[in-house]
This record gives sequence, structure tokens and C-alpha cells, in this order.
Amino acid sequence: EVQLVESGGGLLQPGESLRLSCAASGFSFSRYAMNWVRQAPGKGLEWVSGLNGLGGSRYYADSVRGRFTISRDNSKNTLFLQMNGLTVEDTAVYYCAKGDDYDASPSDHWGQGTLVTVSS
Amino acid sequence: EIVLTQSPGTLSLSPGERATLSCRASQGVTSRYLAWYQQKPGQAPRLLIYGASSRATGIPDRFSGSGSGTDFTLTITSLEPEDFAVYYCQQYASPPPWTFGQGTKVEFK
Repeated sequence: EVQLVESGGGLLQPGESLRLSCAASGFSFSRYAMNWVRQAPGKGLEWVSGLNGLGGSRYYADSVRGRFTISRDNSKNTLFLQMNGLTVEDTAVYYCAKGDDYDASPSDHWGQGTLVTVSS
Repeated sequence: EIVLTQSPGTLSLSPGERATLSCRASQGVTSRYLAWYQQKPGQAPRLLIYGASSRATGIPDRFSGSGSGTDFTLTITSLEPEDFAVYYCQQYASPPPWTFGQGTKVEFK
């Protein structure tokens, strides 16, 4: 059974940094793309970042490019999102999502999300 | 960036009725790389349809997707009580960003 468990969320002040983690199990982690998708309170889904199975290709939304860095440790089946220079607009539930292929692909499994709140 | 516009914003229907949800792209979506997701309150999204018309594993056949180019449709042939939720389309054609539509809420009439 595929499982994705996010961790690392919390309450921060503007300008601070945070690293989210997503522990994956139940599938061959390095064979699949992974994504981060966020959802601000009461709002829709926003794709944030993704990378392919070996992590050689990384992609970002314009809203986070230059501030966020996605990475993965395939030896530990873990996905990361390093978030720097946080703003109140980054407040959201952050979901880790597994692609159904090595690169660009729909997300066929999702974690339950971790809440990041940025407030002064 | 491909912008996806979903309509209507809210669909008020009764169980047993047919739901037709639209997703229009600002430019053609290559190779029909269009997915639909369902999200219920307090839950993560669930993949329903990928490749514009292929049902994901375990999705009932009352859900179907169609379309190509810039116009895509999700149809639920006969609404069950558990289908009342918010539905999102997403395009995953290269290059990124892989944008979502703003969502359509299917609510009880």
C-alpha cells in the first residue's frame, strides 16, 4: 500500500525558513516523479514544485521559484521542500503527491498534508 | 503558463442526476495531459481521471472524462451521495507549471 506522510509544518514569522519532509513507502520511490501541492485556507489547489524519479529535473511555480528548493533522498525514500523567505501568502496545507510515471504525470497518491502558517 | 478555467463554479444537483463539469484551457493541452481530482472537506485530493479520459484505479464507471485541445469535460452519470465534493482539473503537459483549475463544487440541491 502506498503511503505518504508529510512532516515539518508549523507556525513561522515572515522571512523565516522551514523544511518539509515526506516519507514514502509501498512503492519503488526512485521510479516515480514527486510533487508538492499546496492549498491556502478555503482556496483551491496550487501546484508548487515537482521533480523526476532521480531528481535530475526540478520544476517550480513562479510564485516560489528562487525561494523554495525541492529535493529527494532515494536511499531514504524521502521527499523534501526547503522553503526560504516565507511570506503570509505561503500559508497553506502542503501536500506531498506521487506521480504515476517517472516525470510529468498526474498525482495518483497524496499524503494528508502538513499545515504551514506564516504570520507576524 | 496554461490557465485552466472551470465552470460552473458551483453545481446544485440531487442524487441520481447527471453532473457535467467543464475545464477550458488557455492553450492546447499536449497529448491530452489533463487530469481530474475529487476533494472532500478535510481530505486530500483523489485522482479520478488521467489522460483526459482514463479512469484511475478503483474509480467507478459513473465517472467519465472527455475532450481534447482546449476543452475538457468530467461527467458523473448518476450522482451518489458520496460524490458531492469539489472537483479540480489539472494539466501536466510540458513544460511546467502544471496548473490546476479553480475548482467546481458539486452541492446538494
